[in-house]
Amino acid sequence: AQKITQTQPGMFVQEKEAVTLDCTYDTSDPSYGLFWYKQPSSGEMIFLIYQGSYDQQNATEGRYSLNFQKARKSANLVISASQLGDSAMYFCAMRENAGNNRKLIWGLGTSLGVNP
Amino acid sequence: DTEVTQTPKHLVMGMTNKKSLKCEQHMGHRAMYWYKQKAKKPPELMFVYSYEKLSINESVPSRFSPECPNSSLLNLHLHALQPEDSALYLCASSQEFRQGAYNEKLFFGSGTQLSVL
Repeated sequence: AQKITQTQPGMFVQEKEAVTLDCTYDTSDPSYGLFWYKQPSSGEMIFLIYQGSYDQQNATEGRYSLNFQKARKSANLVISASQLGDSAMYFCAMRENAGNNRKLIWGLGTSLGVNP
Repeated sequence: DTEVTQTPKHLVMGMTNKKSLKCEQHMGHRAMYWYKQKAKKPPELMFVYSYEKLSINESVPSRFSPECPNSSLLNLHLHALQPEDSALYLCASSQEFRQGAYNEKLFFGSGTQLSVL
């Protein structure tokens, strides 16, 4: 079973509008971290935002916020006031604390296009 | 600007060539990673070095040979590659790679786009 599911392979948003990218995860570990990365066509993987399983508040970083719903096991990324430069692939990823698995587990990504 | 520097940005090589990819970071991180990424797919972990020792090898073919000369440098030596090895190779670093460090952020370089002819 997929541990990280991103159900939107591709989507478009109008410039200056807000957009939500979906991410659901599956883990039985009480301690875990959730990450969002952006990858523009240039190739670099850019860290955007982090949410820990014990964090009481939703993470925010500038125009990025994470809608963390622990009971639903979802960690959706919200981008406010979209800009043309937000066009990129967006990956949700998770790291669990348990056992020997210290690796990042990646979703398949969402390709976001921003229309002028 | 990324604080992880990868060279070269692009590489074209024949199946009999030997080449190396280089990665450098000056953030004082003690964990460094090599990932392989095909177009429109998530990155696949290849190797992890922790404190300059190989910690994870994800059953990567021996035609890929990693090397960590010091805590700031990571190399990936390539020999007798196949066309299916053509991909974006990403280097990353993090503070540490240890049990319990599930909040460790990875910082990535811009990658080397490799084409094997």
